[in-house]
Amino acid sequence: NAGVTQTPKFRILKIGQSMTLQCTQDMNHNYMYWYRQDPGMGLKLIYYSVGAGITDKGEVPNGYNVSRSTTEDFPLRLELAAPSQTSVYFCASRDRGAGLSNQPQHFGDGTRLSIL
Amino acid sequence: KNQVEQSPQSLIILEGKNCTLQCNYTVSPFSNLRWYKQDTGRGPVSLTIMTFSENTKSNGRYTATLDADTKQSSLHITASQLSDSASYICVVGSTDSWGKLQFGAGTQVVVTP
Repeated sequence: NAGVTQTPKFRILKIGQSMTLQCTQDMNHNYMYWYRQDPGMGLKLIYYSVGAGITDKGEVPNGYNVSRSTTEDFPLRLELAAPSQTSVYFCASRDRGAGLSNQPQHFGDGTRLSIL
Repeated sequence: KNQVEQSPQSLIILEGKNCTLQCNYTVSPFSNLRWYKQDTGRGPVSLTIMTFSENTKSNGRYTATLDADTKQSSLHITASQLSDSASYICVVGSTDSWGKLQFGAGTQVVVTP
């Protein structure tokens, strides 16, 4: 299994450009997440999905959009890039599990995005 | 204010020595506490997950403890190896319907020969 795969690994954007960060998982997990990690800070949840066709906002959704048309894919869209969106973006997935939420999240290796 | 505080921010230890990392949290309602290891340039990898009823859990040379009464956890690394150099992140899960997680900022551990 490849696990969670994110592309691209690095990207530089100009202010106002748009792009899509790709995330795919091959573990048949229902739950998928997008986080951003800023220096010296804990990961912050941007959006999450509990299954195909279902998405919801996390703590910091402004400036981002997502879609979940399949179980495997969960792309994150930046429409008008701003310097404040310079960050490392992580996608994660987890199995539904028997318990409420006591399943480990599996993370991709991130996309490092700079907005200049 | 961050609901998950970790200490120290960083530490340097000699190979073969032990160390303990601390995590204090205020997240409520509490569901579970996790420790993740994040190597430089990689995504976090789960080390342990503990629920309210568990007060210790081991994964090889990593041992996590949880005191749900005082809302404190620790991660003990035994006989450190160079490969233990990483950021260790404490994460607290809530009992809401989708298992929201609150992440600490991490403790950066450097193991030197």
